[in-house]
Amino acid sequence: DQQVKQNSPSLSVQEGRISILNCDYTNSMFDYFLWYKKYPAEGPTFLISISSIKDKNEDGRFTVFLNKSAKHLSLHIVPSQPGDSAVYFCAATPTSGTYKYIFGTGTRLKVLA
Amino acid sequence: DVKVTQSSRYLVKRTGEKVFLECVQDMDHENMFWYRQDPGLGLRLIYFSYDVKMKEKGDIPEGYSVSREKKERFSLILESASTNQTSMYLCASSTQQGVKTFGSGTRLTVV
Repeated sequence: DQQVKQNSPSLSVQEGRISILNCDYTNSMFDYFLWYKKYPAEGPTFLISISSIKDKNEDGRFTVFLNKSAKHLSLHIVPSQPGDSAVYFCAATPTSGTYKYIFGTGTRLKVLA
Repeated sequence: DVKVTQSSRYLVKRTGEKVFLECVQDMDHENMFWYRQDPGLGLRLIYFSYDVKMKEKGDIPEGYSVSREKKERFSLILESASTNQTSMYLCASSTQQGVKTFGSGTRLTVV
């Protein structure tokens, strides 16, 4: 039972354009969401997060949107750069504690120069 | 700069061997975690520890055990390695409420 789903395994975007990565979840008890970026042969690095009391959080070129009614979050990268090419994982945590992240399966983003 | 260090980047072991994966963090974090990453399955939690000598099972603990004798060190043990344990293993640490910081991973191949 996949509680956090990233339905697009891969995405290609032209440099300078917007990248939109999507994530759906099924558990309404999740109240904190994160995005991690992973380069090959490296561990995931934290990118941005959002609490369920917000619907948007922005950090430079990265913005995360949360639609609680649809149980959907998305990561927007504007403008996309070749260095953004990586696998992106979304993760969610339940209200009972923040230690237990449920990760999605990842989306591989390729930004074309 | 905060750091989680995994002792080996690549390991090749034989079926039935006992395998130790080591992880050290220098951030004085209470929590430490072991995940495995497999294509199409994302990151799955094997075990975590919230204090020295304390541990809890994650989602896929079968075939694994852990040890945390010191706050900075968390070891993952494969008692008898099998080919289905071939994977990328990722260690992470965090404060009680903080986000996780991951190590670079150990790619284990069991032949």
